[in-house]
Parts: sequence; C-alpha cells; structure tokens
Amino acid sequence: QKEVEQNSGPLSVPEGAIASLNCTYSDRGSQSFFWYRQYSGKSPELIMSIYSNGDKEDGRFTAQLNKASQYVSLLIRDSQPSDSATYLCAVNMPNAGNNRKLIWGLGTSLAVNP
Amino acid sequence: EAGVAQSPRYKIIEKRQSVAFWCNPISGHATLYWYQQILGQGPKLLIQFQNNGVVDDSQLPKDRFSAERLKGVDSTLKIQPAKLEDSAVYLCASSLDIVWGTEAFFGQGTRLTVV
Repeated sequence: QKEVEQNSGPLSVPEGAIASLNCTYSDRGSQSFFWYRQYSGKSPELIMSIYSNGDKEDGRFTAQLNKASQYVSLLIRDSQPSDSATYLCAVNMPNAGNNRKLIWGLGTSLAVNP
Repeated sequence: EAGVAQSPRYKIIEKRQSVAFWCNPISGHATLYWYQQILGQGPKLLIQFQNNGVVDDSQLPKDRFSAERLKGVDSTLKIQPAKLEDSAVYLCASSLDIVWGTEAFFGQGTRLTVV
C-alpha cells in the first residue's frame, strides 16, 4: 500500500460544478494534511492545510479530514476553467528517530470544461 | 516575505557532465527539502534537512547525487556524473519546522535537461 494515494484522473467537470478530490493515507500517526495545486510547468502552490477532523473552508475550497477513515478530501465549488491543474495531496507522517516526513501523492489531474 | 529562491531556472548539459543547483529557503525555516519531479508524477523527495543535518536521504542516489546545507541556511544539490534519466525538474522547498507539521513552500524549480 502506498503511503499517500490519490486517483490519478483525469477528473473532468463542467464549469460551475463541484469538483471532489480524494486522498487516503496509511499512517494513523499523520499530523497535518495539505492540498497543493500545480499548473503545468509551475511549482506546487499551497491552497489548503487542515490539522483536525472536520471541514475547513476558504472561499470556493473546502478541505475535509476524517482521521478515523484516514482520508482527506478537497471540494472546489463553482469550478472555473482556471482551476484546471494537478492537485497534490501531502501528508506529514512520523519518520525514524522522532522525525517527521512529508509524503506526497501522485496527484489528480482536474479539467474544468467551459 | 521573500519566497524560496532557486537558481538556475534552466540547465542543459551533456550526459556524464556535472551540474549544481542552489537554493535559499525562506528566512527562519528550519526544514529544507530537495525534490525531483518527472513530468506527470508527484514530487519525489531526494533529501530533507533539519537545520544543517540530514534527516532523510533514503531516495538520494548517493553514487551520483550529493547535497549540503552549510550553516543551516542555503543548500546546494549536485549531480556528478549526470545520466539521461536525471532530466527532470528539481524543486527546493522549505517549511518552518517539519516536526511542528507546518506547510512547505516551493521555489520555482530548476528544469534540467540531460542530452
């Protein structure tokens, strides 16, 4: 089992719809969870971080965390063509020697069609 | 607040040559990461520093890759000798402190082409 898993997509939604992106992780000791957006040829940019169970909303974006089920999701409301990008899930997990590591999923490609 | 700075932005070298990348993290960030990203894939961690100490280099091809972070600030990543499969984008990121679970911020990356 991969440490962080995402559906690779592509996920295609019409403009104005809700896009739902999912991520599962393997380690119950995971501490913090991040969603990044990456446009083609650009670096990942942070769009949401979530640390506790429940929902966190920021504009059109909502992150949902369920530690019992070990998944984190990202909802994008009123999707726009400019939201078309790859969305990366990153999870802060325990590492050897009381350290921690940031583990990345492979990303989900989202296409918002006008 | 200044972001993560990387240089160069682009580099083309022949196989078996050497190359070095430089990264200046956000001021005060203790954790620095070097990632390799091949087109269509997520970032692959090469090495993670906590201040000037290495905490994870398990995926660094140590026969050809090396990295250092002198004085716990700037970092360099070197490849010697380069292979064709090293063609990728090399991303540097930093976070306030990985132990506290804070988010990572990325530089613009260096696109390496090995011919």
